[in-house]
Amino acid sequence: DAKTTQPNSMESNEEEPVHLPCNHSTISGTDYIHWYRQLPSQGPEYVIHGLTSNVNNRMASLAIAEDRKSSTLILHRATLRDAAVYYCILIEGAQKLVFGQGTRLTINP
Amino acid sequence: DTAVSQTPKYLVTQMGNDKSIKCEQNLGHDTMYWYKQDSKKFLKIMFSYNNKELIINETVPNRFSPKSPDKAHLNLHINSLELGDSAVYFCASSQTRGIHGYTFGSGTRLTVV
Repeated sequence: DAKTTQPNSMESNEEEPVHLPCNHSTISGTDYIHWYRQLPSQGPEYVIHGLTSNVNNRMASLAIAEDRKSSTLILHRATLRDAAVYYCILIEGAQKLVFGQGTRLTINP
Repeated sequence: DTAVSQTPKYLVTQMGNDKSIKCEQNLGHDTMYWYKQDSKKFLKIMFSYNNKELIINETVPNRFSPKSPDKAHLNLHINSLELGDSAVYFCASSQTRGIHGYTFGSGTRLTVV
């Protein structure tokens, strides 16, 4: 499975944008980039995914580098409810999500 | 509500017992999964079924046996429970390769005493 690298933790303030980075230098042409998050005491939750182009949805935006070796999840205006562990995962069709350590995001009021 | 639902939410049992966890999804997905999250919070896949057929079977003790009576249900039976089986077990579902996202249940916290 293709690997991703994320910072262990990040901190931001409420109502400010948050940029969560992910490196995936060994990504292959058919790998999709997925982001999930896990709020305390809950199951993982799908956030967004993309292949080559930047993507926007109601939860977040995903910015994908031109060479696809890195991506950034953007929360435009963080709230306290966005405090969670965020996972960047590559899916190639192996029909399984392989979770890494993720980034623990803390939001300060 | 459309969702992945697991029962029970909490399960406390003694070593050596046999227990089952049930999972149901009403999203019309054709693939279902069991994941285990241990005390260090690592999430690892255990099994995956596609249309009732086992397609992923990671290195899991034989005491764990999944069963999928239909594509909307995936149950997990655990024999001879051990202390190390204590964890949170998550069920998930997706459409085929999961490229467009997985939906997870809220988890079953299993405690073996």
